[in-house]
Amino acid sequence: EVQLVESGGGLVQPGASLKLSCVASGFTFSDYWMSWVRQTPGKTMEWIGDIKYDGSYTNYAPSLKNRFTISRDNAKSTLYLQMSNVRSEDTATYYCPALRSMDYFDYWGQGVMVTVSS
Amino acid sequence: DIVLTQSPALAVSLGQRATISCRASQSVSTSSYNLMHWYQQKPGEQPKLLIYDASNLASGIPVRFSGSGSGTDFTLTINPVQADDIATYYCQQSRELPLTFGSGTKLEIK
Repeated sequence: EVQLVESGGGLVQPGASLKLSCVASGFTFSDYWMSWVRQTPGKTMEWIGDIKYDGSYTNYAPSLKNRFTISRDNAKSTLYLQMSNVRSEDTATYYCPALRSMDYFDYWGQGVMVTVSS
Repeated sequence: DIVLTQSPALAVSLGQRATISCRASQSVSTSSYNLMHWYQQKPGEQPKLLIYDASNLASGIPVRFSGSGSGTDFTLTINPVQADDIATYYCQQSRELPLTFGSGTKLEIK
């Protein structure tokens, strides 16, 4: 059974940093591009970026690339999202879907909530 | 960025056909592929892939779901609608980066 389990969320103050993790199982993690997608409280879906199966290449949403960094550890089947200088508008549920053919999101986890507030 | 426009809500009677549309601000088709995809999200759950490349049914999805379209206009059809289909449906394009989503259409029962 495919599983993606996100963790590391919670309440964080504006300007702080936060690192999210996503542990994958049930499929060959190292064969997949992986992504981060977030959903705001108003239900807007936003693609954050993705990373090549070997970690050698990343793409980012232009509005986020200066603050967010995606990385992976294939030995641990784990994807990461490093968030820096967080803002209230970063409040969302964060998902780490597997990206099939660099086109669509095949598998999704339950997501992890991040709330940015003082 | 490619903007995807969806109607906010659609009300349909059980057993009837639901047609959910998604319009792109520019073509999301290539000579070989229509790069539009559809997801279902039930309350409190993660999104689930329904249709990829405009018309291909994802694994395990019932055949009452279908997709069509090309260029800038795409449709997700559910026929017949069942009570379990109550959800919000999102389209997503992969023609160019950044990948973008529609704002979602909430399917309601009349």
